Parts: sequence; structure tokens; C-alpha cells
Amino acid sequence: AQKVTQAQTEISVVEKEDVTLDCVYETRDTTYYLFWYKQPPSGELVFLIRRNSFDEQNEISGRYSWNFQKSTSSFNFTITASQVVDSAVYFCALSEAGRQAGTALIFGKGTTLSVSS
Amino acid sequence: NAGVMQNPRHLVRRRGQEARLRCSPMKGHSHVYWYRQLPEEGLKFMVYLQKENIIDESGMPKERFSAEFPKEGPSILRIQQVVRGDSAAYFCASSPSIPGLTNEKLFFGSGTQLSVL
Repeated sequence: AQKVTQAQTEISVVEKEDVTLDCVYETRDTTYYLFWYKQPPSGELVFLIRRNSFDEQNEISGRYSWNFQKSTSSFNFTITASQVVDSAVYFCALSEAGRQAGTALIFGKGTTLSVSS
Repeated sequence: NAGVMQNPRHLVRRRGQEARLRCSPMKGHSHVYWYRQLPEEGLKFMVYLQKENIIDESGMPKERFSAEFPKEGPSILRIQQVVRGDSAAYFCASSPSIPGLTNEKLFFGSGTQLSVL
């Protein structure tokens, strides 16, 4: 069965600290996609990144970076020099290839990140 | 261009009442998806609709739940005779109708928090 585990329920850091959000997934598929979404206090989910299972290159986008390791089935998300505006709930999600978009996203429970000044 | 609009933001119902949740997709989007987030769980897919058609309802409970997306007006998720276990956040997402649609093209609303007393 497919599953996404975000073991950290809540994380609190002080501004400028680096923080890593963990995501571990389970799937029997050889082709799949991994996602991270951000849910700010306003409530809407905002797409951050998609990763294909066959591309293990790490990605950096500004202060955000993602570490994808198939060997440990992990897709961790690091925020460098955190800011108060990073405070949100972050969701990791998994989707099978070949499934209709929107119908096969499997989300983790989310990690609530609080960044204080 | 307004995002996906869901209302109400919060809905309180007593056991046995009906709950109606509304979702207006982004302008130009003809596909709507409903997700449910139970307490302490990740979002789970419920139903996928196009205008006037239910395409995939594999995630929807067989009883008491129904969804529609009429030619005019918002998509409605209807829960009849609500029970305490229906208390959850219900999210709507929309996407355009494009070839090769992928999950990152989904735009999510802010959700409706349903509380059943």
C-alpha cells in the first residue's frame, strides 16, 4: 500500500535557523512522483515542488532545497535561514504515474512549522 | 484572477443535519476535485468532477455523500445526516482541461472546516 509519513508533527525554530522537514514514503511502483505543498495561515495549499522517481538530483530554489534518496525512500525538505513568513503547515505527497492527475495524490499528515523572530 | 474559492470557511452542524460545501474553481478551470482531511491524517481524495459529470468517485463514502458540478454555479459537496466522524477539513482543487495534465497544475482552495456537534 502507498503511504506517506511525516513523523514531525510540529517544529519550532527561531529566525535564521535552518530546518529540515522529513518525509518518508512507501510504494510498490517503480515510477511515481513526490510533491511538497505549503499551507500558510490563509489556508490554501500552495504547490512547491514535484520530483520524478527516476530523477534523484537534489534541487535548490532560493532558500529551499530538497533531498531525494530512493535508497531510504525519503524526500526531505530543508529551509535555510528560516523566516517568519515560512511559518505554515507543510505537506509531502506521493502520486502514482499513469493515474489521472488530481485523483491519486496521497498526502502525509503535515508538519507545522513555527518560525519566531 | 481569484483563486479557488470555498465557502463557508467554517460550518457547524448537529448530528443528523445536512452539510453543503461549495467550491468555485478558478476562472477557466473545468475540473474540480474534493479532498477530505480527517483529524491527525493527511488529505485524501474523494471525488473528481467535470462540468455536469462525475468522473471518479472512488474515494467518496458510498452513503450520505454526494457531489455535483452543474453547468452553472459552484461545485457542491453534500453530506446528509452528518455524524461526528464527518468532522474534517474539506478541500477543493481545480485544474484546467489540458492534455497531459499533471498534479502540479492543481490549485487548492482554503478548505471548509466542518464541525459536527
